[in-house]
Parts: sequence; structure tokens; C-alpha cells
Amino acid sequence: AQSVTQPDIHITVSEGASLELRCNYSYGATPYLFWYVQSPGQGLQLLLKYFSGDTLVQGIKGFEAEFKRSQSSFNLRKPSVHWSDAAEYFCAVAPTGYSTLTFGKGTMLLVSP
Amino acid sequence: KAGVTQTPRYLIKTRGQQVTLSCSPISGHRSVSWYQQTPGQGLQFLFEYFSETQRNKGNFPGRFSGRQFSNSRSEMNVSTLELGDSALYLCASSLGTGPSNEQFFGPGTRLTVL
Repeated sequence: AQSVTQPDIHITVSEGASLELRCNYSYGATPYLFWYVQSPGQGLQLLLKYFSGDTLVQGIKGFEAEFKRSQSSFNLRKPSVHWSDAAEYFCAVAPTGYSTLTFGKGTMLLVSP
Repeated sequence: KAGVTQTPRYLIKTRGQQVTLSCSPISGHRSVSWYQQTPGQGLQFLFEYFSETQRNKGNFPGRFSGRQFSNSRSEMNVSTLELGDSALYLCASSLGTGPSNEQFFGPGTRLTVL
């Protein structure tokens, strides 16, 4: 069975600083990987996804993520954080053939002025 | 294009009651998935439906059930509610099934069991 680990429960970043959120996955085959963001009282919004090909993927809102098979990681990055990026971020993996998403526990991002 | 809608948005029930939650997918989407979100367990998959057929089911007791109608709208039902069923229930829709189909999430139904 697949699993996702997000080691950081909370992260605080100063506005304008760079951001990296960590995600490690466990899956036997080539994974389908996702990052979602959830603002308070809202559903989940897809930031980016990786299926195959280029291991550096670009997403919305200036986010990018890099797939590293050797490290079973799919870390999310942003070069300069804005106060509006404060939210909870979820990494997820899906198996081939199914829409079923297995999520990590999430990382809450706080942005300080 | 309207997004995924879930009704009701908030619900308060007492232990032992049953509840039905509704999800209307984006027009043209035929796949609907349900997730439960709690502070302790995080986001957990409940069911996936495609063309009125349940394709996959998560590790939840039989008190949790669902269905999908011919217009792709979906409902989930929880019988004999327990305190631990208090959660945000999220519905997601996609054009087809499989991970290459982007899932669009609704705002959720917040269920409180007293």
C-alpha cells in the first residue's frame, strides 16, 4: 500500500523568503504525485502534479516541485513567499488506474511579516 | 463553469442518527470521490464512483455507504452516527477515473455529531 510522509507539521517563513515543504512517499511502482493547498474553510486546490517525464514540474501560484526517485521525495518549493500563501499544504500519491488519493498529514504554513 | 457543490455545508446530528450528504459534480464529470478529513487522521479516502458504479472503497465500516445517480450526482450516507464521525467530508469530481484526471474538490460538508 502507498503512504505519504510530510515531516513538518508547521513551518513559519518570513514574507519574501524562500520555501521548501518536504514530502516522502512509499509506492512500489512509478507514482502519480500531487500537491494540494487548503485555505481555511475551503476545499483542496491542486497546485501541481507529476506523472512522468521532466522531474521538475511547475504549478500555479509560482510553486514548483522536484521528483527524486532515489530519495522517494517530491518536495514543494517557492522562491518568494507571499502572505496569501499561508495555508495548509498536502502531498498526495495515487495508484495507477484509480483516482484514490493517499494524503500526507499536511504542513501548515505560517507567513510572518 | 460552476464548481463542485456540496450540500448542506454544515450539519449537526446526535449519536445514533443517520445523515445523508450530497455532492453535485462539475458538469460533464462522471467520477466522484469522497474523503473524510479529521484533525487526528487527516484526509482519508471513502469511496470512488464512476458511471454509477463504485470503483473503490476505503477502509471504513459498513455504516458508511454511498451511491451515484445517472446524472453523476452522488450521495453518501452514514448510519448510526458516532462522535468520531465528526469531520469535514469532501467530495471531488473528475472527467474520468484514474490519476491523470484532475480532481476538483468541493468546499466540504462540516458534520458535527453530539
